[in-house]
Amino acid sequence: DTAVSQTPKYLVTQMGNDKSIKCEQNLGHDTMYWYKQDSKKFLKIMFSYNNKELIINETVPNRFSPKSPDKAHLNLHINSLELGDSAVYFCASSQDGASFYTFGSGTRLTVV
Amino acid sequence: AQSVAQPEDQVNVAEGNPLTVKCTYSVSGNPYLFWYVQYPNRGLQFLLKYITGDNLVKGSYGFEAEFNKSQTSFHLKKPSALVSDSALYFCAVDDTGGFKTIFGAGTRLFVKA
Repeated sequence: DTAVSQTPKYLVTQMGNDKSIKCEQNLGHDTMYWYKQDSKKFLKIMFSYNNKELIINETVPNRFSPKSPDKAHLNLHINSLELGDSAVYFCASSQDGASFYTFGSGTRLTVV
Repeated sequence: AQSVAQPEDQVNVAEGNPLTVKCTYSVSGNPYLFWYVQYPNRGLQFLLKYITGDNLVKGSYGFEAEFNKSQTSFHLKKPSALVSDSALYFCAVDDTGGFKTIFGAGTRLFVKA
C-alpha cells in the first residue's frame, strides 16, 4: 500500500501544452510538498501546504499552480509548458515540521 | 538564509571499509538536520534526523551521523560499507520548524566489492 503516490510516473508533452500531476498520501500527514529535481539531481522546493493552506511558494513561475482539495491530496498544474520545465517532480508529505519527509516515486516530465 | 553544503560530489569506498559522507550547514536558529538516500529512479528515503539531544544519531540500515555544533557539520557514517549502499545521499536542513527543508547537492557513494 503506497504511502505517497504520484501519477503519472512519466509524462512526455509538447511545448505550450498544459498538464497536471496528481499526488495522494495515505499517511494522515498534515503537510505536503512539491520538489523539482533537475538533471544534475539538485532538489528545489516549489510549494508546501499545511492542512490545505499554502505555506511556501518558492518563487515559482505562476504557470505552476498547486491545488490541495483536502490534506491528503496535492496536485500540480502546469500551463504553457517550456523546455526548461523538463525535470523529475517529487511530491512529499510530513506529519509536522520536525518530522522527516516521505517522498513519492516521482514524475519524470519531458517537454519536447 | 539556511543552506547546506556537501563538499564531495562522489565518495568511493571498498566494501567492508568505513564510510563518511560530509555535510556542513548554515542556519540562523537551531537546525533540524536530516539525511536521505536516493536509489536510481526512486524517490528519496529517510535515513536519520537530528533535532536535539545526543550528538550521535543512529538511523536506518546501520547508518549514523554525528552532529557537531562548533563545526556546523553533520557527517553521515557507517562502520562497514556494503555494495548495496551505493546510491545518492542528500543532507538536508530546516530551521523554520517545517514547511521548507533545503537539500544539499547530493553525494554519490560508490562501494566497490
